[in-house]
Amino acid sequence: GIQVEQSPPDLILQEGANSTLRCNFSDSVNNLQWFHQNPWGQLINLFYIPSGTKQNGRLSATTVATERYSLLYISSSQTTDSGVYFCAAGMNTGFQKLVFGTGTRLLVSP
Amino acid sequence: DAGVIQSPRHEVTEMGQEVTLRCKPISGHDYLFWYRQTMMRGLELLIYFNNNVPIDDSGMPEDRFSAKMPNASFSTLKIQPSEPRDSAVYFCASSARDGGGQPQHFGDGTRLSIL
Repeated sequence: GIQVEQSPPDLILQEGANSTLRCNFSDSVNNLQWFHQNPWGQLINLFYIPSGTKQNGRLSATTVATERYSLLYISSSQTTDSGVYFCAAGMNTGFQKLVFGTGTRLLVSP
Repeated sequence: DAGVIQSPRHEVTEMGQEVTLRCKPISGHDYLFWYRQTMMRGLELLIYFNNNVPIDDSGMPEDRFSAKMPNASFSTLKIQPSEPRDSAVYFCASSARDGGGQPQHFGDGTRLSIL
């Protein structure tokens, strides 16, 4: 099955800094999503982005499907951005079935 | 609008007991997913439904696990008999019907502890 790898595994930032999280996937995908798991354990969908670029406030994401990677950009980070960021991918067949990466754990300090 | 609703939020029970987890998807969503999250295995898909029909249950770990969706607004995940290694956070998620993929929206999860 598809493999999803995320980097870096851990990231510590000072409030106000920018960061880029990367997600590599091993096969063609029709479905690519980014999630944030906050310190209370809630999983929040950030982006559905099988290709192209999207922006939502201080967050943006870009997926280059032909090169099998996606990037999540966080600008002007805030302490509330802390948590774990997951990338999840679905293959062309059975694209609703998502495989999750192991996540990037982000800590933003004041 | 209400999100995905799961109950109970926490469950602590003894080994061998039957456990039933419940989920109400977002109204109008046609896909429902059950996931399990553990430190060792991360987030893994157990089973998903489309229009109340199970589509892929290849992630269900053993015959002790079963899931049903009797109608569009309710699903259950049952473990019988439960074992300590079933301890995990179980998430339910739903997404809308479309020709392609759609964002999946997660409930707050059920934290299950089997003693």
